[in-house]
Amino acid sequence: QKEVEQDPGPLSVPEGAIVSLNCTYSNSAFQYFMWYRQYSRKGPELLMYTYSSGNKEDGRFTAQVDKSSKYISLFIRDSQPSDSATYLCAMSAGDTGNQFYFGTGTSLTVIP
Amino acid sequence: DGGITQSPKYLFRKEGQNVTLSCEQNLNHDAMYWYRQDPGQGLRLIYYSQIVNDFQKGDIAEGYSVSREKKESFPLTVTSAQKNPTAFYLCASSRLAVYNEQFFGPGTRLTVL
Repeated sequence: QKEVEQDPGPLSVPEGAIVSLNCTYSNSAFQYFMWYRQYSRKGPELLMYTYSSGNKEDGRFTAQVDKSSKYISLFIRDSQPSDSATYLCAMSAGDTGNQFYFGTGTSLTVIP
Repeated sequence: DGGITQSPKYLFRKEGQNVTLSCEQNLNHDAMYWYRQDPGQGLRLIYYSQIVNDFQKGDIAEGYSVSREKKESFPLTVTSAQKNPTAFYLCASSRLAVYNEQFFGPGTRLTVL
């Protein structure tokens, strides 16, 4: 079983829609949860960073962590064509650089 | 502007040749990382370094080597021992003790001919 599971999509939505992206994980020790956005042929860009459970909001983006279900989500409100990218979840158990686990990414297209 | 640069953007290599990928950062970060990205797989850690002249193997270090002679630079050599080197290579950096906030470079696409 993979440490992190993420539906690869592709996901296609109309402009203005609310998008929900999700990851599940198996390691209950994970405490740090990140979402990255990656445009085609570019490096990932850190979008959201949360610690432990709860919600975190930043503009149109909301990150949600449910540790009891081992499930994390990223919501995008009022989606824009510029949000079209691959979204990667990442998580870690501690504070060392070698304990990072990435999902495979979900490809999102927002149609104008 | 602070950031991470990787060069070249595209690289072609013949089988049996070693090749070195460049990574430079001016963010004053102590920690640097190399990842490999393949279609349908998450990023996989090749090597990481927390301090100059010190580095540790990641999950898939076989066939790769690194050096960290300067804080700003962390070059990756893909050797002929790497069986399947064609991939997208990403360099990242972070502040020490804030490993979860990693900043990535634009990547190098390596193709073995």
